[in-house]
Amino acid sequence: DSGVTQTPKHLITATGQRVTLRCSPRSGDLSVYWYQQSLDQGLQFLIQYYNGEERAKGNILERFSAQQFPDLHSELNLSSLELGDSALYFCAVSPLQSTDTQYFGPGTRLTVL
Amino acid sequence: QKEVEQDPGPLSVPEGAIVSLNCTYSNSAFQYFMWYRQYSRKGPELLMYTYSSGNKEDGRFTAQVDKSSKYISLFIRDSQPSDSATYLCAMKGRILFGSEKLVFGKGTKLTVNP
Repeated sequence: DSGVTQTPKHLITATGQRVTLRCSPRSGDLSVYWYQQSLDQGLQFLIQYYNGEERAKGNILERFSAQQFPDLHSELNLSSLELGDSALYFCAVSPLQSTDTQYFGPGTRLTVL
Repeated sequence: QKEVEQDPGPLSVPEGAIVSLNCTYSNSAFQYFMWYRQYSRKGPELLMYTYSSGNKEDGRFTAQVDKSSKYISLFIRDSQPSDSATYLCAMKGRILFGSEKLVFGKGTKLTVNP
């Protein structure tokens, strides 16, 4: 158990809807990364936040956005959902003492019907 | 050419076998190499992390990096049914323009049969 929590565990919604996924890092984790895992694409980096600021962007769609709050938890917002957005969404964190490694949360499984 | 290539398997071995998992990469900027284990419907769990070329051992697991060939391996000795999972290689470069993203292989699904 990495100590990183993600809510909800499962989410089922319809096309066109908007959802918010939440990630709570451990105490002292300043960096939060979001990844999407689908069967055909594998784990893809979406976006990174460091101490409240956006640090890097990957293959994140314009319909998706994220933020990191002062208490360092992060939210990933997915809007105008499409069937192809169905995937596992993970957040990962880097501990302050070792930014070379990342520890993953349990993920949120999103199903878009 | 993809940045990281990993044979998806599946790989099925008997209990006690030595397992070899491999990834190749094309970006010479990658400096840090990791292996993650992912059980079905769970988050990836960091198994091994290495920076330099050569071998790193941790219990039954040995990670090997050959930067000249752009090739990394994970060996599992005395494999157990509990090792059945998908193994993902991951790598990243030095911090360039603030990006610390990991680039993952697609994972190899391993089954260890009792």
